[in-house]
Amino acid sequence: KAGVTQTPRYLIKTRGQQVTLSCSPISGHRSVSWYQQTPGQGLQFLFEYFSETQRNKGNFPGRFSGRQFSNSRSEMNVSTLELGDSALYLCASSRGTGEAYGYTFGSGTRLTVV
Amino acid sequence: SQQGEEDPQALSIQEGENATMNCSYKTSINNLQWYRQNSGRGLVHLILIRSNEREKHSGRLRVTLDTSKKSSSLLITASRAADTASYFCATDGSNFGNEKLTFGTGTRLTIIP
Repeated sequence: KAGVTQTPRYLIKTRGQQVTLSCSPISGHRSVSWYQQTPGQGLQFLFEYFSETQRNKGNFPGRFSGRQFSNSRSEMNVSTLELGDSALYLCASSRGTGEAYGYTFGSGTRLTVV
Repeated sequence: SQQGEEDPQALSIQEGENATMNCSYKTSINNLQWYRQNSGRGLVHLILIRSNEREKHSGRLRVTLDTSKKSSSLLITASRAADTASYFCATDGSNFGNEKLTFGTGTRLTIIP
C-alpha cells in the first residue's frame, strides 16, 4: 500500500511569506500528526488531527496552523515566516488515537527560509 | 520540549557487533516506540512496547522497558552497514492527556564495515 506522501519535498521561502505543506496519510488512517525537526530543538510535536478535529497542539505560536479534510488529508500553514522556521517538517499517520499501533512517517518537507 | 534523553549521543561500532542505545523519559507513558532516521529523511517505525510489557523482540531488535526507572534500551544484534542511522525513542502519553509522541534527542549510530 502507498505510504504517507508529503508535498513538496523541498521549499525555499523568504521571510514574511507564508507556506502551506500537504500530507496524504495511508489509506484508512484517520489520525495525522505534524512534527518539526531542527538541529537545535530536535523533533517537536506541532499538532494532531483526527476526523477533521484538532485533538492535540504543541507549544508553537499561532503562526502555525493546520487542518484536516474529510478524506484525512492534512495541510499545515505557517504564516509570516521567520528564519527560525527553517526545518524538516514531518507528517505521520496512524489508524487512530490512543491506540498502540505506531506511526508511519512521510519523507518530510524541507523548508528553508531566507 | 524533549521528553527524554538518549545515551550515547553517538556510537560507532564494527559491523557484526551489537549496538545498545538507552533512553530515559520523564512522565507516565502509554507506550514507548523506537524509530530510525536515515540522514534527514522520514522516520521509520521499528518497534513499540506497551507500558505493561518489559521486553519485546523483532528480528535483530530487542527492546526493554523499565517503567520504575523510566528507561528503555534498544539492542541491535549482529549490526550491518545498513543499520547506520539515527535512532530515536518516542513516548506516547496520550492516555494521560500529554502531547503525542514526545521524542528523545537521538543516538547517531555508525557501523564501520
